[in-house]
Amino acid sequence: QLQLQESGPGQVKPSETLSLTCSVSGTSIDTSAYYWAWIRQPPGKGLEWIGTIYHGGTTYYTPSLENRLSISMDTSNNQISLKLNSVTATDTAMYFCTRSLMVAGREFGRWGQGTLVTVSS
Amino acid sequence: DIQMTQSPSSLSASVGDTVTITCRASQGIRKDLGWYQQKPGKAPERLIFEAATLQTGVPSRFSGTGSGTEFTLTITGLQPEDFATYYCLQHSSYPRTFGQGTKLE
Repeated sequence: QLQLQESGPGQVKPSETLSLTCSVSGTSIDTSAYYWAWIRQPPGKGLEWIGTIYHGGTTYYTPSLENRLSISMDTSNNQISLKLNSVTATDTAMYFCTRSLMVAGREFGRWGQGTLVTVSS
Repeated sequence: DIQMTQSPSSLSASVGDTVTITCRASQGIRKDLGWYQQKPGKAPERLIFEAATLQTGVPSRFSGTGSGTEFTLTITGLQPEDFATYYCLQHSSYPRTFGQGTKLE
């Protein structure tokens, strides 16, 4: 059974780097059948797509974070990673990891439970 | 970037009612649209993909229509478990964009 489990530090200081991991179980990420994305949600607000990574490493990032964001795949550990540099309070949010099928229309079909990140000194 | 304008932002309804939520895209996106339901404290779940195809296991009281720039999600005969927040998502191009959300209460 597929499970996506996000993990991270919980709290990060302003100007530091946020590192999150999405541990995938129940399927291998080392397949072109899927692609993976991170979506975040500030407290009390809506959903924001922040980036996607395809098998083979192609990435797309939201323009507002493009110069601070990096998403990568670790196939040996079956994990998707996110790194966000120079964080500020506006990066405080629940961060979700998602899986999509490489089939038309099947975007963000499976979600992790999310991990809350607070940016505070 | 494609902007998704979702309305209304909130909607008051009762069990048994029929409600409609609308999303308008700033440019044509064919049928590259999904609808997601989010309950408090939970991750979103996809209800509909390709504008009108029901996700397996989603009750038939949910339906989606539209193509191009105008899309609707209709819930016919609201059930207590349907009171949640709903989002549309365009996946026609990058960056992906969500609607602002509709809170059904």
